[in-house]
Parts: sequence; C-alpha cells; structure tokens
Amino acid sequence: QKEVEQNSGPLSVPEGAIASLNCTYSDRGSQSFFWYRQYSGKSPELIMSIYSNGDKEDGRFTAQLNKASQYVSLLIRDSQPSDSATYLCAALMEYGNKLVFGAGTILRVKS
Amino acid sequence: NAGVTQTPKFRILKIGQSMTLQCAQDMNHNYMYWYRQDPGMGLKLIYYSVGAGITDKGEVPNGYNVSRSTTEDFPLRLELAAPSQTSVYFCASSRLASSYEQYFGPGTRLTVT
Repeated sequence: QKEVEQNSGPLSVPEGAIASLNCTYSDRGSQSFFWYRQYSGKSPELIMSIYSNGDKEDGRFTAQLNKASQYVSLLIRDSQPSDSATYLCAALMEYGNKLVFGAGTILRVKS
Repeated sequence: NAGVTQTPKFRILKIGQSMTLQCAQDMNHNYMYWYRQDPGMGLKLIYYSVGAGITDKGEVPNGYNVSRSTTEDFPLRLELAAPSQTSVYFCASSRLASSYEQYFGPGTRLTVT
C-alpha cells in the first residue's frame, strides 16, 4: 500500500466550477498535511497546510481533513485556467518524521 | 531574499561520471532536503539535514552522498552516475522541525546517458 495516494487524473473542470482533489494516507499517526501546486517544469509551491480535523479556507482554496477516514481533500472554487497544474498531497509521517508525497493529480481547467 | 537556489539547471552526464549538485538557502533554515522526481511520480526523499554537520538518509539514498558544513549549503554528490539517476532533483528547506512547510529550489534536470 502506498503511503500517500492520489488519483493521477487528469481531472478536467470548466472555468468557474469547483475542482475537488482527494488524497488518502496510510500512517494513522500523521498529524500534518500539505497541498503543493506544481506547474509543468517548475518546482512545487505550498498552497495549503492543515493540521486539525475539519475545514481550512484560504481565498478560493479549502483544505479538508478527516483523520478517522485518513482522508485529505482540496477544493478550488471558481476554478481558473491558471489553476491548471499538478497538485501534490503530502503527509508528515509519524515514524521517521519525514514528509511523504503522493504522485500528484493533474488538474485541467477549460476556458 | 533569493530563497533556495540550485545549480546547475540542466546537466548531461555520461555513465560512470560524477558531479555535485549545489543547493543554497538564505533564509537561515536549519532543515534542508534533497528530493528526486521522476516523470508522473511524486517526490522521493534522498537525504536530509537537520543542521550543519548532521545528515541522514531518506527513502532513496543509494548512489548519492551529501555534506552540510554550513547552515546555508547542502550539496548532493553523485558518484558513478547511472541511467537510473536520470531525474529532476529538487532541494528544499524548512525553518522548524515541527513545520514541514518546505520551500523548494527551481530544480536541476539531470540526464545520464
């Protein structure tokens, strides 16, 4: 079982729609979770972090965490073509104290 | 601040050659990391450092070496390059042990032929 799993996509949504990206993790002891955005040929950049169960909102982005289900999601409201990128989910594993990344979900926003 | 810088941006190596990938940060971060990213894959941790003089292996350390003589610099050494080391290499840093909000450099695209 992979430690952090994401659907590779691509996920295609029309401009202005809500994009929903999902991630599951295997280490029940994980406490910290991150969403990174990576444009093609560029380095990852942090867009959201979440540490507690529930929702965390930042502008058009909402991160959701459910530790009982070991599930993290990222919602992007009013999706724009500039949101087209690969979104990487990362979890801080309790053992080894290291950040483990999923393979990423490709998002395409069609204008 | 320049953030995290990496050199070179691109490099082609022949099998068996060696090279050093440079990484520097000017944010006074204690923690630094080296990752590799293969096409369609996530980031795999190669080595990391929690401070000057302290390094430890990550998930895929074979074929690589690191050193951390200063807070700012964290070079990655490839010895006897192999085609399996063809990848994009990212260096990252973070401020605190409890904060894994890592900041990434622009990456080095390495091809071994």
